[in-house]
Amino acid sequence: VLTQSPVTLSLSAGATASMSCRASQTVWQSYLAWYQQKPGQAPRLLIFDTHNRATGIPARFSATGSGTHFILTIRDLEPGDSAFYYCQQRGDRSTFGPGTRLEIK
Amino acid sequence: EVKLVESGGGVVRPGGSLRLSCTASGFIFDDYDMNWVRQVPGKGLEWVSRITWTGSTRYSDSVRGRFTVSRDEAEKAVYLQMDTLGAEDSAVYFCARDNLDTNLKIYYGLDVWGLGTTVIVAS
Repeated sequence: VLTQSPVTLSLSAGATASMSCRASQTVWQSYLAWYQQKPGQAPRLLIFDTHNRATGIPARFSATGSGTHFILTIRDLEPGDSAFYYCQQRGDRSTFGPGTRLEIK
Repeated sequence: EVKLVESGGGVVRPGGSLRLSCTASGFIFDDYDMNWVRQVPGKGLEWVSRITWTGSTRYSDSVRGRFTVSRDEAEKAVYLQMDTLGAEDSAVYFCARDNLDTNLKIYYGLDVWGLGTTVIVAS
């Protein structure tokens, strides 16, 4: 089971967002990814293998973690960063976290 | 262009069946595991099923025994046969490419997604 916090994050443009993903047990091989989803769209891969940015993802997005605790950080927030963010682990069965909603004020 | 296109969604009565399809293009389909992920409007993402490039399958607890995932290499397609459908199965169903390199032990994530197909279970 993956849990994400906070549920909602409301920040101003230019600020830094930090959100957490915790697993109930060690994520196998740290096979953890992060996704961004905007309303009406399919999810978009942001981070793979815990800390690697996917193709085309700006350096403002970074991630770290190991074991059961993982963090996604977004610097220099822009209005277009408003979205839901999900973590996902790739074990024998995959699971998603419940998501964090990021609002840019 | 790397692309996934889902089809087969629609309205079905409780207890009924539906078969979703996902057609791939722009990459070597045989090399990849494929997943189904669903989302109730306004809710989060729920992983449903996976079929590996070798044909091994996995299911979430909520669909095991009712859903069957399969793939056809010649058609470059993955399917989700959904039986004994209930209202709780109403959702947008996404097909996603699952990119895992077991040799290098690198998980590249669900790196390609379709736009989804909508399933509504209602009487």
